[in-house]
Amino acid sequence: GAVVSQHPSRVICKSGTSVKIECRSLDFQATTMFWYRQFPKQSLMLMATSNEGSKATYEQGVEKDKFLINHASLTLSTLTVTSAHPEDSSFYICSARADSQGKNIQYFGAGTRLSVL
Amino acid sequence: QKEVEQDPGPLSVPEGAIVSLNCTYSNSAFQYFMWYRQYSRKGPELLMYTYSSGNKEDGRFTAQVDKSSKYISLFIRDSQPSDSATYLCAMTNAGKSTFGDGTTLTVKP
Repeated sequence: GAVVSQHPSRVICKSGTSVKIECRSLDFQATTMFWYRQFPKQSLMLMATSNEGSKATYEQGVEKDKFLINHASLTLSTLTVTSAHPEDSSFYICSARADSQGKNIQYFGAGTRLSVL
Repeated sequence: QKEVEQDPGPLSVPEGAIVSLNCTYSNSAFQYFMWYRQYSRKGPELLMYTYSSGNKEDGRFTAQVDKSSKYISLFIRDSQPSDSATYLCAMTNAGKSTFGDGTTLTVKP
C-alpha cells in the first residue's frame, strides 16, 4: 500500500526557534503534497499545496514567510515553521497525492505534534 | 453552503451494531469518493475509495455511492471498540479533494 512517512512525530521547542517537518512518500511518486493543520476535535485545515519544483500555493490567511514549504523531489516535501510561537502549537499533517492513481487519492502521514514553549 | 456535508455526531453504538456514516455533496463533478479513519492524535488512514455508483465491500466495511442523489455512505458491520475513531469522507474532482468535517464514532464494549 501507499505509505507516507512524516517526521518527527512530536517536537517541543522554545519560542523563537524554527522547526522543520519532513513528509516522504515511500513507495510512490507525488508531484503534489499537501500540508494541513488540525486543532483538537476540529477538522483538517488546508494550509498549502506543495508542488515539486515550484512554489507552494498557500491558502488565504496562511503566512508564507512563517510556514516555508520546499518540495525538492517527487518524494519529499518539508514544512519549516519559522520563529515559532506558542500560538503555532498544533497538529500538522501532510498528505501526498499519488501520481499513478490519476492524482485522485491522497495518502496521509501520521502527523507531527508541535508544542512551542 | 459547504460542498461536502457530514454529520459531526458524535455517534455512540454498542459493540456488534451496524454503523451507518453518511455524506452529501453538491458538486456533481466529483468522480472519486473516499473514506478515511482518523484515530486520536494520528493522521487519517485511507479505508476505501470508489469511482462509480454502487457498493464496494472490504471485510466489515461497505462503501456506497449514489451519484443521482449525491449521497455516499460507509457501513460498518459487527462494529468493534477498535472502530472508535473519526471518519472523514472525501471527494475528488480533477485532482482536487474536498473533505467532510468528520463524524466521531464511539463503539462501547
